[in-house]
Amino acid sequence: AQTVTQSQPEMSVQEAETVTLSCTYDTSESDYYLFWYKQPPSRQMILVIRQEAYKQQNATENRFSVNFQKAAKSFSLKISDSQLGDAAMYFCAYTTGNQFYFGTGTSLTVIP
Amino acid sequence: NAGVTQTPKFRILKIGQSMTLQCTQDMNHNYMYWYRQDPGMGLKLIYYSVGAGITDKGEVPNGYNVSRSTTEDFPLRLELAAPSQTSVYFCASSRDGNEKLFFGSGTQLSVL
Repeated sequence: AQTVTQSQPEMSVQEAETVTLSCTYDTSESDYYLFWYKQPPSRQMILVIRQEAYKQQNATENRFSVNFQKAAKSFSLKISDSQLGDAAMYFCAYTTGNQFYFGTGTSLTVIP
Repeated sequence: NAGVTQTPKFRILKIGQSMTLQCTQDMNHNYMYWYRQDPGMGLKLIYYSVGAGITDKGEVPNGYNVSRSTTEDFPLRLELAAPSQTSVYFCASSRDGNEKLFFGSGTQLSVL
């Protein structure tokens, strides 16, 4: 079974500091795609970053970067220079090309 | 560009009633999905479709039905609503199964 595990239900970070959110997944596939989505209180799901498993280079989008460890099946999200607008639920997701599987989410609080 | 449009945004049902959640996308995406989001449980896939006329079950299909007669529309039918179906429902679409998901704004459904 495909599973995605986010072991941190809640995290907090001081404004302007760096925080890392953890995600592990279980798969027997060699070709797949990983995502981080942000869900603010508005409930809208927003794509933060996408990683292709066949690419060794870690994806980066401005202040957001990932640490992709394929052998360990780990896909953590690093948020640098945290801003108040980063406060949200963050979901890790995985797909091999049909179904997307989501983790249970990490609630991030940004402290002014 | 409207993206993915879901209606209604809120609905209260009585036990045993039926309803259809509407979802339409204007991006000509082949892949469409229905998820439910329960507190602390992340997003669970109900049904998905890889093209018009093709649908398949996800992780939690019981109590739901879908159809995909056109590329644009992917309605979700609830028959004989039960309190366990109280949730937030999201429709999403993707150009192909590996690209980002575009989400609708969600439907808050309460079954009382």
